[in-house]
Amino acid sequence: SQQGEEDPQALSIQEGENATMNCSYKTSINNLQWYRQNSGRGLVHLILIRSNEREKHSGRLRVTLDTSKKSSSLLITASRAADTASYFCATERGNTPLVFGKGTRLSVIA
Amino acid sequence: EAQVTQNPRYLITVTGKKLTVTCSQNMNHEYMSWYRQDPGLGLRQIYYSMNVEVTDKGDVPEGYKVSRKEKRNFPLILESPSPNQTSLYFCASSLAGEHEQYFGPGTRLTVT
Repeated sequence: SQQGEEDPQALSIQEGENATMNCSYKTSINNLQWYRQNSGRGLVHLILIRSNEREKHSGRLRVTLDTSKKSSSLLITASRAADTASYFCATERGNTPLVFGKGTRLSVIA
Repeated sequence: EAQVTQNPRYLITVTGKKLTVTCSQNMNHEYMSWYRQDPGLGLRQIYYSMNVEVTDKGDVPEGYKVSRKEKRNFPLILESPSPNQTSLYFCASSLAGEHEQYFGPGTRLTVT
């Protein structure tokens, strides 16, 4: 039961540019989380935004949440080659487990 | 160091030969979960456990078993592996409630 859908599937940018990824979901949620995965490795948690929050920052990351549109965006500013990875959104609803989307593959070219 | 460990990291086996992938966490987390990751399909949950002796099916439980006899361990058992279970498997854990999940390094399983 995949709930989050990331867009675009793949994104290629130059180092120093900003990268924006979007996530849409279908039902009401308690929170939405973003994770990063370097090739073939375990996912690493980036940021959690609760349903009553609209925006959150963490370093070069900015996450927004629009519950009326059931969507979220992840902005990475001043991207670096080390940001090259896949990014997943995951939604949490009630006592049900996290549901992950299929991810956005980001390539940052030096 | 707080971590989730999985063993083995790589495994090649044959159809029908029972195997167990172990998962252990040292953070006293209540919640543990198994996922498989396949190209184009993202992460799909196999089983999860809210606490000791409590397990539930995820989205793709067929062909898998789990147990949670201790809080720190959550092994994934494939009684009779088949080639369609060839995948990258991740174990994850978290505190109960709205908390981030910590992922293990993954186990790449090939069933021939």
